Amino acid sequence: AQTVTQSQPEMSVQEAETVTLSCTYDTSENNYYLFWYKQPPSRQMILVIRQEAYKQQNATENRFSVNFQKAAKSFSLKISDSQLGDTAMYFCAFTFSGNTGKLIFGQGTTLQVKP
Amino acid sequence: DGGITQSPKYLFRKEGQNVTLSCEQNLNHDAMYWYRQDPGQGLRLIYYSQIVNDFQKGDIAEGYSVSREKKESFPLTVTSAQKNPTAFYLCASSMGDNRKAFFGQGTRLTVV
Repeated sequence: AQTVTQSQPEMSVQEAETVTLSCTYDTSENNYYLFWYKQPPSRQMILVIRQEAYKQQNATENRFSVNFQKAAKSFSLKISDSQLGDTAMYFCAFTFSGNTGKLIFGQGTTLQVKP
Repeated sequence: DGGITQSPKYLFRKEGQNVTLSCEQNLNHDAMYWYRQDPGQGLRLIYYSQIVNDFQKGDIAEGYSVSREKKESFPLTVTSAQKNPTAFYLCASSMGDNRKAFFGQGTRLTVV
């Protein structure tokens, strides 16, 4: 079975500092995709970043980057220069080729950015 | 603007009632999905559809039903058989397989 685990239910960071959110997953698939989604208080799910398992290079989107460790099945999200608008719940998600786009989600990490 | 629209934003259901949540997309996506979100848990898949007139059960389909008569629309009915329907429901669409999913703004369903 495919599973995604986020071991940090809640985290906090001071504005302008850097924070890392952890995610591990379990799969026997070789061709898969990993995502981080952000859910702010409005509850709209917003895609933050996407990583293809076959790519060795870690994905980056502005202040957001990932540390993808395929052998360890780890996919952490680093947020640099944290902003108050980054306050949200963050979900790690996974899908694989042939899964028709169905996403498997972790339990989420609530991030509070403090002024 | 292209996107996914869910309605209503808030919905109240009496015991024994069926209610239908609406989901419409104008992104021309083939695949659509319904997820349920409970406090402290991630999203769980209820139903999904890859093409018109076809849909499959997800992990927690019991007590729910769907239809896909048009590409743009994928309504979810929460039936009286669903014993614990109070939750936040999210609809999503994608071009399928490993493409990124777009989400609606959700419907909060409460049993009164």
